Amino acid sequence: DSGVTQTPKHLITATGQRVTLRCSPRSGDLSVYWYQQSLDQGLQFLIQYYNGEERAKGNILERFSAQQFPDLHSELNLSSLELGDSALYFCASSVDAGGYNEQFFGPGTRLTVL
Amino acid sequence: DQQVKQNSPSLSVQEGRISILNCDYTNSMFDYFLWYKKYPAEGPTFLISISSIKDKNEDGRFTVFLNKSAKHLSLHIVPSQPGDSAVYFCAASGGGGSNYKLTFGKGTLLTVNP
Repeated sequence: DSGVTQTPKHLITATGQRVTLRCSPRSGDLSVYWYQQSLDQGLQFLIQYYNGEERAKGNILERFSAQQFPDLHSELNLSSLELGDSALYFCASSVDAGGYNEQFFGPGTRLTVL
Repeated sequence: DQQVKQNSPSLSVQEGRISILNCDYTNSMFDYFLWYKKYPAEGPTFLISISSIKDKNEDGRFTVFLNKSAKHLSLHIVPSQPGDSAVYFCAASGGGGSNYKLTFGKGTLLTVNP
């Protein structure tokens, strides 16, 4: 158990809908990262937050947005969903924004768009 | 453009023998490298890391070697155990600024046969 929790575990929805994925980092970790794992793309970095502020952006679509709240939990919002958004979404956390510390991953949310 | 490559999608070894997983990278700005292990239906689990100022890091049965001139790293598992059977991801970070995202390879499925 990494100490990072993600809810829900599974999500099935229809195209055009909007969903919210939730992540609670390990106690004491200030940074939260979101990754997408689809079948043929491997793990792709989406976005990073550090202590409530956006720190880095990766291959995140404009239809997707995220935020980190004062209690440090984070939410990833996916809107106007398309079939291709079906994937595993992982949240990870680390102590600070520094590169020299490992990220701890949650169990993931499996999103299926029908 | 894949900056971290794991060219072997799968590897099969006998219990007790050495497992060697390889990873190549193209971005010379990467200065921190990590290996993660992933079981089905779970998030990636941190295994071992190495910074670019070192060429070897050891932790129990796991050793990571870094050859900066070749932009190559490898993970050695000795002796291999059936419980090591999982997908292994190589990841890299660096580039300065606030760029602490992890760039992952596509993974190598290791099967350790009893």
